[in-house]
Amino acid sequence: DVKVTQSSRYLVKRTGEKVFLECVQDMDHENMFWYRQDPGLGLRLIYFSYDVKMKEKGDIPEGYSVSREKKERFSLILESASTNQTSMYLCASSLWGRAKEQYFGPGTRLTVT
Amino acid sequence: AQSVAQPEDQVNVAEGNPLTVKCTYSVSGNPYLFWYVQYPNRGLQFLLKYITGDNLVKGSYGFEAEFNKSQTSFHLKKPSALVSDSALYFCAVRDSYEDSNYQLIWGAGTKLIIKP
Repeated sequence: DVKVTQSSRYLVKRTGEKVFLECVQDMDHENMFWYRQDPGLGLRLIYFSYDVKMKEKGDIPEGYSVSREKKERFSLILESASTNQTSMYLCASSLWGRAKEQYFGPGTRLTVT
Repeated sequence: AQSVAQPEDQVNVAEGNPLTVKCTYSVSGNPYLFWYVQYPNRGLQFLLKYITGDNLVKGSYGFEAEFNKSQTSFHLKKPSALVSDSALYFCAVRDSYEDSNYQLIWGAGTKLIIKP
């Protein structure tokens, strides 16, 4: 079974702090994704990576950056956390290909105060 | 433009009754369609997908979905609901003509509540 793990289930940070969210997958997937999930808005893609050191912006990249130094690890960075970044953050991975399903981690609920 | 609609925010069904969670889509080319489920305080789990072929797709936990090209719909169904099916369900679509490998368009989600 594919396993996607995220470093924290719950996180509380203060406004202005730099925040790191880590994601690791164990199935040698090429693609990795970071989404945020807010009620009524579904999932919105923040960033996507299709290979080591490669990244592409999703729909809402502002205020975020990412890092993929190893194939199995994809990090999301909030450069200066703000209260409007309070949300559920979901990491996912998939094989290369348009018809491939994504596998999700358990999510990190981030609260910025 | 690509889009996905889940017209119902919430669906209530009695245990043992059939359930349907609706999804309609709009894409330029042929669609790749997916259903995911999210149980409380957990990440999303893949249920099933339609790529091509038989319009009726069977997936995990007894769920199935019917692709209807003329109505541009991909409704999720189960013949007999269980209380444990209570969860948040997401429909997603990708256009087969799109160059990008990654962009899934997600519906807003439908909360399914199964009452004993």
